[in-house]
Amino acid sequence: QKEVEQNSGPLSVPEGAIASLNCTYSDRGSQSFFWYRQYSGKSPELIMFIYSNGDKEDGRFTAQLNKASQYVSLLIRDSQPSDSATYLCAVNRDNAGKSTFGDGTTLTVKP
Amino acid sequence: EAQVTQNPRYLITVTGKKLTVTCSQNMNHEYMSWYRQDPGLGLRQIYYSMNVEVTDKGDVPEGYKVSRKEKRNFPLILESPSPNQTSLYFCASSSHPFSNEQFFGPGTRLTVL
Repeated sequence: QKEVEQNSGPLSVPEGAIASLNCTYSDRGSQSFFWYRQYSGKSPELIMFIYSNGDKEDGRFTAQLNKASQYVSLLIRDSQPSDSATYLCAVNRDNAGKSTFGDGTTLTVKP
Repeated sequence: EAQVTQNPRYLITVTGKKLTVTCSQNMNHEYMSWYRQDPGLGLRQIYYSMNVEVTDKGDVPEGYKVSRKEKRNFPLILESPSPNQTSLYFCASSSHPFSNEQFFGPGTRLTVL
């Protein structure tokens, strides 16, 4: 079992819909969780960081963390074609600087 | 302008020829990290540094070395590169590992023949 698993893509949603990206992790001691967006041929960029159970909202993005079930998700409301990218989930496992990434989910938002 | 720079951006080399990829940040960040990315895979952490002279292994440190002699620079050293180290490499920095602001370099595409 991989330490961090993301839903296999690609994921396609129509413009204006909610895109739901999921990530599960195996290390119950993991403390912090990150979502990155990576456009094709570009560097990753951090879009959400969450460490407490529950929801964290930032504009059209909502991260949801459930430590008991060991999953973290990212919801993108009112999806736009500009949201088309690969989304990477990362888990900080040692409460220091060590991070493990999932393989990413590619999202396509169709006009 | 706040930025992370990497050099070189592209490199083709041969097996066994030592090389260094430089990473520099101008934000006085304490935390820096190196990742590699291979097709279809997410990032895999190679090494990270919490501060000057403090480095630690990530998930895939074999075949790599790093040093952190000054806060702004975090070079990645391949003493004897092999073809399986052909990859896209990213350097990143932030004030600390849990910062909601992280900066990535533009990437270095390395090919080892």
